[in-house]
Amino acid sequence: DADVTQTPRNRITKTGKRIMLECSQTKGHDRMYWYRQDPGLGLRLIYYSFDVKDINKGEISDGYSVSRQAQAKFSLSLESAIPNQTALYFCATSDTSRGTGELFFGEGSRLTVL
Amino acid sequence: QKEVEQNSGPLSVPEGAIASLNCTYSDRGSQSFFWYRQYSGKSPELIMFIYSNGDKEDGRFTAQLNKASQYVSLLIRDSQPSDSATYLCAPEGGTYKYIFGTGTRLKVLA
Repeated sequence: DADVTQTPRNRITKTGKRIMLECSQTKGHDRMYWYRQDPGLGLRLIYYSFDVKDINKGEISDGYSVSRQAQAKFSLSLESAIPNQTALYFCATSDTSRGTGELFFGEGSRLTVL
Repeated sequence: QKEVEQNSGPLSVPEGAIASLNCTYSDRGSQSFFWYRQYSGKSPELIMFIYSNGDKEDGRFTAQLNKASQYVSLLIRDSQPSDSATYLCAPEGGTYKYIFGTGTRLKVLA
């Protein structure tokens, strides 16, 4: 089983719909991140959280919101989806207690907004 | 100027050659530097990280860091077709906020 699980893996929706992407982890890490990936643009940081009470905006937070329901869960919401939010979304985790700072990624959620 | 710049490629090298992937960054406060490999349709996975100026070797991979020039590179020796992927550079400035470059697509030709 994956240590960082994203649901749904694929979603097709229509413009204006509310969408939630969920991420859960069994690694016990304190830091969690949401990235989106578009062809030719690499990974862009949307939001990141260092613990349940600490949530920070990333490079491209407009149009998105997040919720850290527990240390193990970090959800990304699109309140009113638009076509240019069509992308591959990755959740990632990292652990303050480890020296490397390595990010561990989920398998991704592919979102298509029609 | 982007925070992290990489040549998008594709960088094509013959099998067995050395592939050289480069990354420049703008944040002089960056302390650690990560290289991730991403196969098409898959999630990124860590290849190497480096903290200190100079070279760090791990098997066929060598990371090189020059903080004065704000430059980090990844060398892949004896390149194999299985190394064909996109390589992402991610400096980290002590705030645990990881900003990635756009990635360089590497193609190793058999």
